[in-house]
Amino acid sequence: DAGVTQSPTHLIKTRGQQVTLRCSPISGHKSVSWYQQVLGQGPQFIFQYYEKEERGRGNFPDRFSARQFPNYSSELNVNALLLGDSALYLCASRSGQVNEKLFFGSGTQLSVL
Amino acid sequence: AQTVTQSQPEMSVQEAETVTLSCTYDTSESNYYLFWYKQPPSRQMILVIRQEAYKQQNATENRFSVNFQKAAKSFSLKISDSQLGDTAMYFCAFMTMYSGYALNFGKGTSLLVTP
Repeated sequence: DAGVTQSPTHLIKTRGQQVTLRCSPISGHKSVSWYQQVLGQGPQFIFQYYEKEERGRGNFPDRFSARQFPNYSSELNVNALLLGDSALYLCASRSGQVNEKLFFGSGTQLSVL
Repeated sequence: AQTVTQSQPEMSVQEAETVTLSCTYDTSESNYYLFWYKQPPSRQMILVIRQEAYKQQNATENRFSVNFQKAAKSFSLKISDSQLGDTAMYFCAFMTMYSGYALNFGKGTSLLVTP
């Protein structure tokens, strides 16, 4: 079975632009989470979705938004990009129960110039 | 505040030796889950080991084991018989109902295993 897949792998944008990152969870997984990992830091929680509903949001500005589709895939959108948004964006999925193992994708490396 | 502290930014160990990575955390909740994740150069976060706070017995996964001291809020990872493939960033993390079961990570420890 395929793991969590994220696209694109790498992305270069300029300040002020908008970006959309995509995530496909493991088949059968209904919960998707997004994390931002700035260089030299641990990942920080951005969003959590379950059954297409937002179930949690981290301390990020409104420029960050996300959604989950009926097939449980997810998109993370970031508007008005800032240099500080440069980071590795990780998507993770689990079946649904909070005590289930969380599986991570390999991430999307976003560079904002 | 819910925080995770990893006080060792970098560590080095020789192949076949044992190394312990430290982690302390702070939460006011009594029920939570603790984790150690490994992040190799491929960047994918890989779960190494997990501990439920209500379990007194320390978790073990092959060469990896933890020393969970709930009162001290300490959760260290011991890697026995270190292998070159263990070279990676290691992150300590926990999650609670208060956090909506989102993972709260430390800053990580870079582990280098040398021949």
